[in-house]
Amino acid sequence: DAGVTQSPTHLIKTRGQHVTLRCSPISGHKSVSWYQQVLGQGPQFIFQYYEKEERGRGNFPDRFSARQFPNYSSELNVNALLLGDSALYLCASSLVGGIRSLAKNIQYFGAGTRLSVL
Amino acid sequence: GQNIDQPTEMTATEGAIVQINCTYQTSGFNGLFWYQQHAGEAPTFLSYNVLDGLEEKGRFSSFLSRSKGYSYLLLKELQMKDSASYLCAVSWVSGNTPLVFGKGTRLSVIA
Repeated sequence: DAGVTQSPTHLIKTRGQHVTLRCSPISGHKSVSWYQQVLGQGPQFIFQYYEKEERGRGNFPDRFSARQFPNYSSELNVNALLLGDSALYLCASSLVGGIRSLAKNIQYFGAGTRLSVL
Repeated sequence: GQNIDQPTEMTATEGAIVQINCTYQTSGFNGLFWYQQHAGEAPTFLSYNVLDGLEEKGRFSSFLSRSKGYSYLLLKELQMKDSASYLCAVSWVSGNTPLVFGKGTRLSVIA
């Protein structure tokens, strides 16, 4: 079975441009979360979507947006890129969203998209 | 705050046992997860704890004390391939964040 897949794997952009990152969850998983990871730090939460609705948002500016499609895949969009947006962007999927059932909310990560902003 | 603290780096010898500690704020605690992340790769799920006690999975075990806000990941019979970052992540009842991660502990296994 395929795990979480993300595309592209690497991306180079310049300041001011926008970027769209894509994620396909594990089959049967209905929740997708996005994280940003800079070198030497743990992943930082950006968004969670469950059943196509936003269920959580981290402390990121409005330049960051996301959506989830009927097939549960997801896109993360970042506008007006800054140098500080350079990072590894991780997508994670889980069976459900929310905190009631931790066993069903285990996050499984994709390999990530490494974004470099020049 | 939701501070999660874990050591930045550890070094251990092949075949030995190493314990990686993680402390967190207890208010609103829901559960704790451990992930392994090799350089340049995605985090992979190792274990989670909700109740006090030890969860064992082969060479890896994870312990939780809810009242003390303390967990550890125990790695036995260390192998060179265990060299990686180990991330402690907490789920809180309040808030809208599925997981809050610590900064990770970079473990180096030496011969």
